[in-house]
Amino acid sequence: SQQGEEDPQALSIQEGENATMNCSYKTSINNLQWYRQNSGRGLVHLILIRSNEREKHSGRLRVTLDTSKKSSSLLITASRAADTASYFCATAGRGAQKLVFGQGTRLTINP
Amino acid sequence: NAGVTQTPKFQVLKTGQSMTLQCAQDMNHEYMSWYRQDPGMGLRLIHYSVGAGITDQGEVPNGYNVSRSTTEDFPLRLLSAAPSQTSVYFCASSYSRGAAGELFFGEGSRLTVL
Repeated sequence: SQQGEEDPQALSIQEGENATMNCSYKTSINNLQWYRQNSGRGLVHLILIRSNEREKHSGRLRVTLDTSKKSSSLLITASRAADTASYFCATAGRGAQKLVFGQGTRLTINP
Repeated sequence: NAGVTQTPKFQVLKTGQSMTLQCAQDMNHEYMSWYRQDPGMGLRLIHYSVGAGITDQGEVPNGYNVSRSTTEDFPLRLLSAAPSQTSVYFCASSYSRGAAGELFFGEGSRLTVL
């Protein structure tokens, strides 16, 4: 069974707006990661946040982690057409042997 | 560097046929894994390996075999293909132990079983 669940399943916004995607998970984690997948391509790693961290930034990306609520959010600021893709959260359990993915959020940026 | 290379990119099989999906990485990563991606299901882990000679099962291992004789290669074998195995398969590797670090993905192998 899948560990992470993303919300919303699909999101459509105007270029320049901010996009927020959420991920909830069920069990204790070692880390949580976010990936992007362009249509027909492999996944690309965006950011990793460890269980003892609360927030990380990378360029226009901001990730938060709330282990008490077992949830994470990915914020993309000042969105661009090139940000159109599917975004997945993935969690690694305590032993960090496996990375389990959610079902993803499909983000569309309208020009 | 080529990164993670998967072959073939596309394959059509008939039910009952066998085949091997190849995965090779040139980054000297110890950890390698196979996922399948189906519409609305996200990615599901099939098998993974933490080093040469060591493999373990993921969420959906039935119908698939793996072996890891070298650090570079991690082939996925379908012994008797079924229509339920129609999917896009992704191989991924990591420089860290297990899933403690980021995964590097191949471009995928699209398999259709008739």
